[in-house]
Formats: sequence, C-alpha cells, structure tokens
Amino acid sequence: AQKITQTQPGMFVQEKEAVTLDCTYDTSDPSYGLFWYKQPSSGEMIFLIYQGSYDQQNATEGRYSLNFQKARKSANLVISASQLGDSAMYFCAMSEDTGRRALTFGSGTRLQVQP
Amino acid sequence: DTAVSQTPKYLVTQMGNDKSIKCEQNLGHDTMYWYKQDSKKFLKIMFSYNNKELIINETVPNRFSPKSPDKAHLNLHINSLELGDSAVYFCASSVGQYQPQHFGDGTRLSIL
Repeated sequence: AQKITQTQPGMFVQEKEAVTLDCTYDTSDPSYGLFWYKQPSSGEMIFLIYQGSYDQQNATEGRYSLNFQKARKSANLVISASQLGDSAMYFCAMSEDTGRRALTFGSGTRLQVQP
Repeated sequence: DTAVSQTPKYLVTQMGNDKSIKCEQNLGHDTMYWYKQDSKKFLKIMFSYNNKELIINETVPNRFSPKSPDKAHLNLHINSLELGDSAVYFCASSVGQYQPQHFGDGTRLSIL
C-alpha cells in the first residue's frame, strides 16, 4: 500500500489565488512527521513546511500552511496568494518513528501558476 | 556557503563504467542520505548513515556502495553502470528524526 498518496498529478491556479495540494498518508505509528518540499524546474529540493503528529495546531510558514486532519490522515498544503515563482513540483513526505530516519515521498503534484 | 554540496552536477558515462558521486554537508548534521529520483520524478531512499554508521540499505543492488569517511561526507560509488541507473541522485542531511532534511542540488547521471 502507498504510504503517501498525492492524487493530483497536475494543478493550475491563477496568480494571487489560493491553492490546496492534497496529501494523504498511511502509518500505524503514533509518532510521525509530515513534510512538504518544492522542486522547481531547476531541480533542487526546497523544504517548505513541517507538521508533527502530536502538534495541536496546523503549521504555517509565510504563505504556506498545512491543513492537518489527523483522523482523516491528510496533510494538505495550502499556498495563499500564488505567485508565478510557485510553479514547481510539490512533494509530500513522511518520516515514521521506526529509527529509519528516511523520508517516504509521494508521487508529487505539478503546480502551474497562470498570470 | 552551500549547506549540502554534491559533485558532479552532471555525469555522462558509458554502460559498464564505475563512477563516484561526492557529498559534503557543513550543517553539523548527524545523518546523511542518498535518494534516487527516477524519470517520473519519484524519489526513493537508497541509503542513510547516522554518525558514519549505515542504518538503511534499501533494496539497492550491491553495485552501489556508500562510504562515509566522517559525519560530514557521504560518497556514493557505483560499479558496472547500467542503463537503468540513469536518474538524479540526491544527497541530503538532517539532525534528528523529525527535522527537515536539507538536500543537495542533485547529480544527473546519464548512461549511454
């Protein structure tokens, strides 16, 4: 079974609008971490935001917020006021409490911001 | 200063050759990783090292051999390169289980 599922291969959004990128996860560990990374066309991986499984509040970092719904096992990324520079691949990832210290990634969502 | 640097950025070589990719981090992190990103952009863990000790070896052919001379370096050596090895290889580092991993810029390996 997929541990991280991103069901939107591609998304379009108009500049200045908000967009939600979906992520669902599957784990039986009570302790885990959820991450979002951005990969622009230049190829580098940029960390955006982190949510811990025990965090009571949704994480926010500037224009990025993580809509964490633990019971639904979802961790959607919300980008407010989209900018042309937000066009990129976005990956959801999880780290589980197994001592592995590795991220399991979803298949990614390609976001295109239109002027 | 670059936090996680890997060299080379591009590697074009023939099938059957042996090649190495180097990775260095100056963040003082205790854990380093190698990930492989395939042509469909899927990222998968290959290896992770914590304080120079191998903690993950994820169903990777033994033609791939990581080497960590110290906590700041994790190199990847690949023997007898095959066409299917063509991918982007990312080095990353982190401290702690739930801290963000910082990635290098990737090495694009192309096998002719």
